[in-house]
Amino acid sequence: EDQVTQSPEALRLQEGESSSLNCSYTVSGLRGLFWYRQDPGKGPEFLFTLYSAGEEKEKERLKATLTKKESFLHITAPKPEDSATYLCAGLSNDYKLSFGAGTTVTVRA
Amino acid sequence: DTEVTQTPKHLVMGMTNKKSLKCEQHMGHRAMYWYKQKAKKPPELMFVYSYEKLSINESVPSRFSPECPNSSLLNLHLHALQPEDSALYLCASSPIGSGNTIYFGEGSWLTVV
Repeated sequence: EDQVTQSPEALRLQEGESSSLNCSYTVSGLRGLFWYRQDPGKGPEFLFTLYSAGEEKEKERLKATLTKKESFLHITAPKPEDSATYLCAGLSNDYKLSFGAGTTVTVRA
Repeated sequence: DTEVTQTPKHLVMGMTNKKSLKCEQHMGHRAMYWYKQKAKKPPELMFVYSYEKLSINESVPSRFSPECPNSSLLNLHLHALQPEDSALYLCASSPIGSGNTIYFGEGSWLTVV
């Protein structure tokens, strides 16, 4: 069975304090590893798709990386507006998207 | 344009009512999905449509009935729901084949009273 595990469950950062979120996965025939941002009461907002080990993608203060077993979301010099829940998900070969439980990031000014 | 539009945004229904949630996308995506999300939990897959045909049903109770009238529209018909069905219902879509990014709508908040 496909499994995606995220850590830590919650992360409290001071503004400007860089950190990383971890996502370990076991997904059959991985078609893609996704990162989403979700604000309270809203749908997940797409951030990145990673397809193969060694791939990296960046967007503003966020950088996602992928290995054969894990993905990391690095937040560089975060701002309060980066506060959200970050979801990692793996898409299997039969188009099932398995989500991790998420990491809730709080950035204090 | 990476927009998936869901209506209504909020719905309150009684346990004997029949209602529908609607979803629309114009990105040419041929896979569409329904997810259910409870508070402080990740989304859970309910149904997947590929080329307008139901390809995955994650053992969802029959009181939830999906429908895909065409490649741009996805409906979820609701009947005789229970209070524990109250949740955020998310629609999503993606291409099939290369570039499988799945885009989500803002969701429909459902409260069953």
